[in-house]
Amino acid sequence: QSVLTQPPSVSGAPGQRVTISCTGGSSNIGSGYDVHWYQQLPAAAPKLLIYGNNNRPSGVPDRFSGSKSGTSASLVITGLQAEDEADYYCQSYDTSLSGWRVFGGGTKLTVL
Amino acid sequence: EVQLVESGGGLVQPGGSLRLSCSASGFTFSSYAMHWVRQAPGKGLEYVSAISSNGGSTYYADSVKGRFTISRDNSKNTLYLQMSSLRAEDTAVYYCVKGDRNMDVWGQGTTVTVSS
Repeated sequence: QSVLTQPPSVSGAPGQRVTISCTGGSSNIGSGYDVHWYQQLPAAAPKLLIYGNNNRPSGVPDRFSGSKSGTSASLVITGLQAEDEADYYCQSYDTSLSGWRVFGGGTKLTVL
Repeated sequence: EVQLVESGGGLVQPGGSLRLSCSASGFTFSSYAMHWVRQAPGKGLEYVSAISSNGGSTYYADSVKGRFTISRDNSKNTLYLQMSSLRAEDTAVYYCVKGDRNMDVWGQGTTVTVSS
């Protein structure tokens, strides 16, 4: 059970907009720590998708965007495409954990 | 091209030991913190350990503290994870990851299976 909570699954039709939430608390996101998002395509290693709450690395389409407010963060994907079907993980920092960094439980995105 | 290549995974009996290695190339290895992240079969990502760029600071998840040791050799551009007292629940793909404020480059992973 992670301290960062994500919905296990979300789905959407091609072209639609989907949102994946990442809910934390006062010892992590609520303390002002950055949230990063990672995409893991089937049978592949994770890849950095969004860093520092709302920044895209070079090569990531602007269909992907991130935001943070209070103790939560969100990943929004617009113009959904079949190749977006993947697992998505949020990651932040938690002062109560000895390892300090923590991942959300992950969200499986299905493109209908 | 920035690249991380893990090695050293395999089948080990419960209570046994294993050392993972991660060879880095394409960037100044000694300038970046490095991490190990694992993923059990069919499960999500679990943060395991981190080491600062000069090796002076290390961090461990509670689940591995006292059993795993992270280290690095900046002269060889290599990251290590020494794992001991292995348990069935340590079975996972182990990823080597580069990054300071975020984890921006991931290796392809090496599989560790703990079973008798």
